[in-house]
Amino acid sequence: AQRVTQPEKLLSVFKGAPVELKCNYSYSGSPELFWYVQYSRQRLQLLLRHISRESIKGFTADLNKGETSFHLKKPFAQEEDSAMYYCALLAGGTSYGKLTFGQGTILTVHP
Amino acid sequence: DAGVIQSPRHEVTEMGQEVTLRCKPISGHDYLFWYRQTMMRGLELLIYFNNNVPIDDSGMPEDRFSAKMPNASFSTLKIQPSEPRDSAVYFCASSFRGLASNEQFFGPGTRLTVL
Repeated sequence: AQRVTQPEKLLSVFKGAPVELKCNYSYSGSPELFWYVQYSRQRLQLLLRHISRESIKGFTADLNKGETSFHLKKPFAQEEDSAMYYCALLAGGTSYGKLTFGQGTILTVHP
Repeated sequence: DAGVIQSPRHEVTEMGQEVTLRCKPISGHDYLFWYRQTMMRGLELLIYFNNNVPIDDSGMPEDRFSAKMPNASFSTLKIQPSEPRDSAVYFCASSFRGLASNEQFFGPGTRLTVL
């Protein structure tokens, strides 16, 4: 069975500092991974997906199959990045696959 | 479009009572998902539907939980009887044409408290 682990429940950084939210996964097949974000009083929404290799709001994430990781990084954190972040793995195909989420990491960026 | 709509937004009930959570997906979306969010476990997929048909309900915790989707614009998640450990935020989400190529759109959630 697939599993997603986010080892840090809470992460605090100062504005302008680099930030890395860790995500590790276990899955025997070829994974597709996502990061979702929930800002205060807003709905959970997609931040980025590994297949599109894009940078959203300055965040990037690289799939490392050797380390089975998909860490989310940003070189200079901003206060508005404070939110709950979920890493998610899609297993089983695009039509009937199952999305498994990690436990989430609450990021706080201090001024 | 108002996005995914969930009701009620907050529900407080007593142990043993029946609870019904409601969801209206985004028009045109053919997938609907129910999730439960807790501090301990994060976000867990309970069940999802494709074209109103349940595809995977392996995340439903017990027989006390049931979900239906009688038509493309409405779904319910029912807990009967409810227990204090069911207290959580329940999210509904919808998507179009599967998961990888299209993102899931989440509702605002229903915060359930079982006393």
